[in-house]
Amino acid sequence: GAGVSQSPRYKVAKRGQDVALRCDPISGHVSLFWYQQALGQGPEFLTYFQNEAQLDKSGLPSDRFFAERPEGSVSTLKIQRTQQEDSAVYLCASSLDDAADRPRSFGPGTRLTVT
Amino acid sequence: AQRVTQPEKLLSVFKGAPVELKCNYSYSGSPELFWYVQYSRQRLQLLLRHISRESIKGFTADLNKGETSFHLKKPFAQEEDSAMYYCALANQAGTALIFGKGTTLSVSS
Repeated sequence: GAGVSQSPRYKVAKRGQDVALRCDPISGHVSLFWYQQALGQGPEFLTYFQNEAQLDKSGLPSDRFFAERPEGSVSTLKIQRTQQEDSAVYLCASSLDDAADRPRSFGPGTRLTVT
Repeated sequence: AQRVTQPEKLLSVFKGAPVELKCNYSYSGSPELFWYVQYSRQRLQLLLRHISRESIKGFTADLNKGETSFHLKKPFAQEEDSAMYYCALANQAGTALIFGKGTTLSVSS
């Protein structure tokens, strides 16, 4: 079946621009996770949703980062006033149950390049 | 502090040779550990988790609490095992995974 999808796959933004990254989880999945992966690094946790509730946002690096999942399905990660250090691949994952049900696979990612 | 260390950036072996990808962790309490794999041009996917004690694609990993390690092993490497491997640890809150920096495994004939 279809896995997690993300759009756009690639995004180039000028420094200072706002961007919005979309994640479509697997239908019916309760949990949704966002991770940031810088070049040469492992994924780093950003935030976790259980349905529409954002239960953990401890990984968001600054108040320029904002995530939402208003209807408990699609999620959007927004980055305001992008900086060069925001350049990374942003990964989304979902799982059927709560956070203890670890994701079996991640989405393809959105590669953000800030120039 | 919760941390995962993968000391090798790259591991190159010949087909048929044994493989051991190292992973060490730092955690207070009973850790929950995983290996994820990313094949070329594919998505990051779960390979195995320590609690299930399973063998996937011939890979196994044993949790050694004394050495705080969770090394991934396979007795005979295949070319199709070439990929990036990440060791991951569930955080104390249970909401996130803490990943190591990954090890690229290259298997050549």
